[in-house]
Amino acid sequence: EDKVVQSPLSLVVHEGDTVTLNCSYEVTNFRSLLWYKQEKKAPTFLFMLTSSGIEKKSGRLSSILDKKELSSILNITATQTGDSAIYLCAVMTGANNLFFGTGTRLTVIP
Amino acid sequence: GAGVSQSPSNKVTEKGKDVELRCDPISGHTALYWYRQSLGQGLEFLIYFQGNSAPDKSGLPSDRFSAERTGGSVSTLTIQRTQQEDSAVYLCASSFSTGAGNTGELFFGEGSRLTVL
Repeated sequence: EDKVVQSPLSLVVHEGDTVTLNCSYEVTNFRSLLWYKQEKKAPTFLFMLTSSGIEKKSGRLSSILDKKELSSILNITATQTGDSAIYLCAVMTGANNLFFGTGTRLTVIP
Repeated sequence: GAGVSQSPSNKVTEKGKDVELRCDPISGHTALYWYRQSLGQGLEFLIYFQGNSAPDKSGLPSDRFSAERTGGSVSTLTIQRTQQEDSAVYLCASSFSTGAGNTGELFFGEGSRLTVL
């Protein structure tokens, strides 16, 4: 059974802190790993990772994939209150199906 | 509009009734997904349509759940004889998929919040 596990489930930090969110996966036919941010209703796309060791970066957010360890991390530096959201990790399989983890709820306190 | 459209945005129904949730994907998107999100939980995969291929129904939780996609565009998720545990937000997403060219960037609708009393 394809499985995506995220940790921690929730995290509370102060503005300016740096956070690292974890995602591990077990899938039969891995194609890519994706990160989404969900603030209210619809998740929005952050990154897609297909190759190990190549960091994707967007502003204060960055992510990297480790195919040997079957995992990925999402880093957010200098956190702001606007970063408060649920961060979802998802894995796309060879059949183009997309399985999500349970998400990490990040709360950034002013 | 240019995005994924879902209706209704909110639905309150009585236990045992049937409900239909509709999803209008972005024009030209060949892949369409339905997910369910219970309060405080992640996205639970329900069903996936890709072009004219047979849908992947492996995530449907019971035979009370079914979905159709007509003409490769609009999709309807039907829940028969609703139960209280069906209460959740049902999210639809679409993407432009050309098989190996799928970028994985799904565009989500705002969801349909279903409450079963």
